[in-house]
Amino acid sequence: DTEVTQTPKHLVMGMTNKKSLKCEQHMGHRAMYWYKQKAKKPPELMFVYSYEKLSINESVPSRFSPECPNSSLLNLHLHALQPEDSALYLCASSQNREGYYGYTFGSGTRLTVV
Amino acid sequence: QKEVEQNSGPLSVPEGAIASLNCTYSDRGSQSFFWYRQYSGKSPELIMSIYSNGDKEDGRFTAQLNKASQYVSLLIRDSQPSDSATYLCAVRGGGNKLTFGTGTQLKVEL
Repeated sequence: DTEVTQTPKHLVMGMTNKKSLKCEQHMGHRAMYWYKQKAKKPPELMFVYSYEKLSINESVPSRFSPECPNSSLLNLHLHALQPEDSALYLCASSQNREGYYGYTFGSGTRLTVV
Repeated sequence: QKEVEQNSGPLSVPEGAIASLNCTYSDRGSQSFFWYRQYSGKSPELIMSIYSNGDKEDGRFTAQLNKASQYVSLLIRDSQPSDSATYLCAVRGGGNKLTFGTGTQLKVEL
């Protein structure tokens, strides 16, 4: 299994809603990442988990809350989002944080905040 | 100065030609370098990685790295219409973070 699976693929939520994005990989990777990508822009790093511990938070607003329940799963909990948070949210994984490993990306969740 | 810089394009090449994509980076301590292909509305797909100075070939793709000049390039030989996409250069630098350039849009014309 060489895939990173993200659900849902599309999500529309109101500004008062609470929702969660899910990411799963079964490649034995020990580093997992959340990126945000706006149209015609490169992916921007949000969070890094290494061995199930949060190691990098790129000053992301608290309305985004990551969680890593185990080595295969990564969640992103969303609450009180703003319309400008509408974007493609990408999960990625790599063998670990160090070294020379590229990231494998999931297909993303396209989020629209209304 | 941006950490990773690419010409946004679009770069137009005829079918069968060589497409040359370039990237410069600012962190001299960067260790590993990647090229991702991203089709419109899709997620990035890793197509090449390179860690040492010189060339690395994989099929129609060749990555070139020159650490002294802080320069990475991607050559695509025998370009096909299916190669039309945005190509993202990514650099793993200090803190082991992967930073992306803004991407170069490639159009391969029939």
